Amino acid sequence: QQQVKQSPQSLIVQKGGISIINCAYENTAFDYFPWYQQFPGKGPALLIAIRPDVSEKKEGRFTISFNKSAKQFSLHIMDSQPGDSATYFCAARNQAGTALIFGKGTTLSVSS
Amino acid sequence: NAGVTQTPKFHILKIGQSMTLQCTQDMNHNYMYWYRQDPGMGLKLIYYSVGAGITDKGEVPNGYNVSRSTTEDFPLRLELAAPSQTSVYFCASSYLKNRGRNTEAFFGQGTRLTVV
Repeated sequence: QQQVKQSPQSLIVQKGGISIINCAYENTAFDYFPWYQQFPGKGPALLIAIRPDVSEKKEGRFTISFNKSAKQFSLHIMDSQPGDSATYFCAARNQAGTALIFGKGTTLSVSS
Repeated sequence: NAGVTQTPKFHILKIGQSMTLQCTQDMNHNYMYWYRQDPGMGLKLIYYSVGAGITDKGEVPNGYNVSRSTTEDFPLRLELAAPSQTSVYFCASSYLKNRGRNTEAFFGQGTRLTVV
């Protein structure tokens, strides 16, 4: 079964617009929710992460919104730029750190 | 500081052959992971290790083996390669801090493997 569901699969946004990617999880034992950014030919790199004891975390143009009761979290990219064009993965990790479960990814294209 | 280093970057393997994907990290991380990435499928955990001498299966371990003889190295072995093992393989590492909290997972650059 898919423990972390991510949508949409692809997203096209105009420069300066807001990009929104959504994820939902099933396992309430997850205690850490990172977002990774991946450029072609590179490994994923941590973008921003949140723990379930807060509802929102902001770092520059990137914000995670977290809804524990709904078991959902989302990534908002404000003022999207062409350099943000990449694949974004949400993930969830259990408390022991032995399992980092990824969503299927969202390919973001920001048009100039 | 090299981080997580994977070799080779690319490889073509014939069906039935075996090979080892190398992964080494210089951050003294105790946790290491192997993932495979297939188009549109995200990253699937193959094996992980919580320290030298300790390994365990992830979501998709069939056809693979690992060992962890040192903190730094975590090689992934493919025995009797099959076309279904064509994928991009990523190694990652993280560190378990006090109070049971892990640092973020750092990923290598990946190994693109084609089995023909």
